[in-house]
Amino acid sequence: GNSVTQMEGPVTLSEEAFLTINCTYTATGYPSLFWYVQYPGEGLQLLLKATKADDKGSNKGFEATYRKETTSFHLEKGSVQVSDSAVYFCARLNNAGNMLTFGGGTRLMVKP
Amino acid sequence: ETGVTQTPRHLVMGMTNKKSLKCEQHLGHNAMYWYKQSAKKPLELMFVYNFKEQTENNSVPSRFSPECPNSSHLFLHLHTLQPEDSALYLCASSQDPWTGILAKNIQYFGAGTRLSVL
Repeated sequence: GNSVTQMEGPVTLSEEAFLTINCTYTATGYPSLFWYVQYPGEGLQLLLKATKADDKGSNKGFEATYRKETTSFHLEKGSVQVSDSAVYFCARLNNAGNMLTFGGGTRLMVKP
Repeated sequence: ETGVTQTPRHLVMGMTNKKSLKCEQHLGHNAMYWYKQSAKKPLELMFVYNFKEQTENNSVPSRFSPECPNSSHLFLHLHTLQPEDSALYLCASSQDPWTGILAKNIQYFGAGTRLSVL
């Protein structure tokens, strides 16, 4: 079945450090892939997306590249800020387009 | 503001109570979803409605009863819940998930209702 695995947190970084949050997915077809972010006390917000191999999604300094050969969609940011502290969810869409499967979420804490 | 509004934001109820969660979307979308977010567990899809018709029920216990009177509103009726049902309940909507067009498949989430069952 469809599944998404992402690294467990929490990830604790100092401000301006480089961020990588790993995500892998099961390779059934060519699913669309997403990163969502959940700030404290809020719902999920779409951060970025990619639809096919080698696509790079980017937003707010975050990037993720759709890697078919490794079935991965790792999230990266070159210089994190305290305001990036949140929980990050990797997700894949099923082929029908009506169901998202989420990874377990990774909590990021950025210290000044 | 994502265009998806959930009320109430917080709810405390006893196991014998009956309550309802409400979700309203102002995006003109045709599909709506209920998710459950528990501590230390992945987000779980509960129900999917497309054009007011339920298309997915992810083996949810009958003490959770969804209702979708129109494409803009979605309710989750709760009765005789258990303490383990305490969680954040998230509503989402998407424009039209069956077209194969990614822009129409993207789900937009509300802020959630934090439910505590005593």
